[in-house]
Amino acid sequence: AQTVTQSQPEMSVQEAETVTLSCTYDTSENNYYLFWYKQPPSRQMILVIRQEAYKQQNATENRFSVNFQKAAKSFSLKISDSQLGDTAMYFCAFMKHNAGNMLTFGGGTRLMVKP
Amino acid sequence: DTGVSQDPRHKITKRGQNVTFRCDPISEHNRLYWYRQTLGQGPEFLTYFQNEAQLEKSRLLSDRFSAERPKGSFSTLEIQRTEQGDSAMYLCASSLAVGSSGNTIYFGEGSWLTVV
Repeated sequence: AQTVTQSQPEMSVQEAETVTLSCTYDTSENNYYLFWYKQPPSRQMILVIRQEAYKQQNATENRFSVNFQKAAKSFSLKISDSQLGDTAMYFCAFMKHNAGNMLTFGGGTRLMVKP
Repeated sequence: DTGVSQDPRHKITKRGQNVTFRCDPISEHNRLYWYRQTLGQGPEFLTYFQNEAQLEKSRLLSDRFSAERPKGSFSTLEIQRTEQGDSAMYLCASSLAVGSSGNTIYFGEGSWLTVV
């Protein structure tokens, strides 16, 4: 079974600054996908960024980028130029290859962006 | 484009009552998932369908829980004889089944259940 661990229950950052959210995972699989999802208060969960394990290049989506370290089983999310709208719960998630698209989530990190 | 919609958004029920949640996935999506999320925790997988076939069920899905997707479109999740431990948000999600895997999963806003 896979496990996903987010060791930072809460974080805060000043608007316009950069913050990094940590995620580690445990798996014996070689082919898999990793995701960061954002869940704003009382709103639906939306995909922020995804990474295929077979790709060495780190994924980027505008102000969001990841640092994927496959050997270390680490998958951190960097948010640059933080905005007030980034305030949310952030979940790291793992998906096995050819496993019906089922996600295993971490416990989440609550991010507060302060003005 | 309508996303994943869930109904009702909130439900308060007395212990022992039955409740049913409905999920309408994104129209062209053939995979549909149910997750449960308790306060301050990440979602936990319950079950998923590909078209009308229920392909996987978590051990979390006790015999009081039943999910259906009769025509491969909308799905229902019924909880019988509710217990206080069932209080949680029930998330529905959908995706395409294209290629092998790794397709983006889209979530609904969830149905909050409070059992009193």
